[in-house]
Amino acid sequence: EPEVTQTPSHQVTQMGQEVILRCVPISNHLYFYWYRQILGQKVEFLVSFYNNEISEKSEIFDDQFSVERPDGSNFTLKIRSTKLEDSAMYFCASLLGGLGTEAFFGQGTRLTVV
Amino acid sequence: QQPVQSPQAVILREGEDAVINCSSSKALYSVHWYRQKHGEAPIFLMILLKGGEQKGHDKISASFNEKKQQSSLYLTASQLSYSGTYFCGTNKRSNDYKLSFGAGTTVTVRA
Repeated sequence: EPEVTQTPSHQVTQMGQEVILRCVPISNHLYFYWYRQILGQKVEFLVSFYNNEISEKSEIFDDQFSVERPDGSNFTLKIRSTKLEDSAMYFCASLLGGLGTEAFFGQGTRLTVV
Repeated sequence: QQPVQSPQAVILREGEDAVINCSSSKALYSVHWYRQKHGEAPIFLMILLKGGEQKGHDKISASFNEKKQQSSLYLTASQLSYSGTYFCGTNKRSNDYKLSFGAGTTVTVRA
């Protein structure tokens, strides 16, 4: 069964450092998302990406964040100058699009900022 | 705008039933239900679309009342494997696939 793959599974970084979280969506999917889940809390939408550009972003997704799909397969989330409050599980999701389409989530990257 | 889920938590004995509700103040196009085990990714359970039928998978089923803008997830004859946090995700338009998630309902099934 096709799956969304995320790397690394766990990243520890020092405050102020930049991190890049990587995702390989399902190959024929067209819509890509990053979500964040702070420990014990709900899943929060960060950004959606379609046709090689951001289609929507939440208020969480400020200038500190950026996304790219550099080579047509990888989908990356870059967080510049990380803060303690960026510590969370980051999920990538992809979906094909169309009626009744479901979002497939990756296993997540646990980011710990120290 | 995020949907509101209730209850926040429920504890069941194996074989008991439970209902989880998800409601929105805005008109909905679809409701997606996911279950998440601790430290894992949300796993898709089912989608309910506006104008669609009630869905079911094994002993887990769901309904969608468009007029009330709410969905209910029914856990019937619960099994230990049903333990986890259940999230509903909603979207308002057919061409907008971004999901807004509720805060989740933690289900604990005990033997």
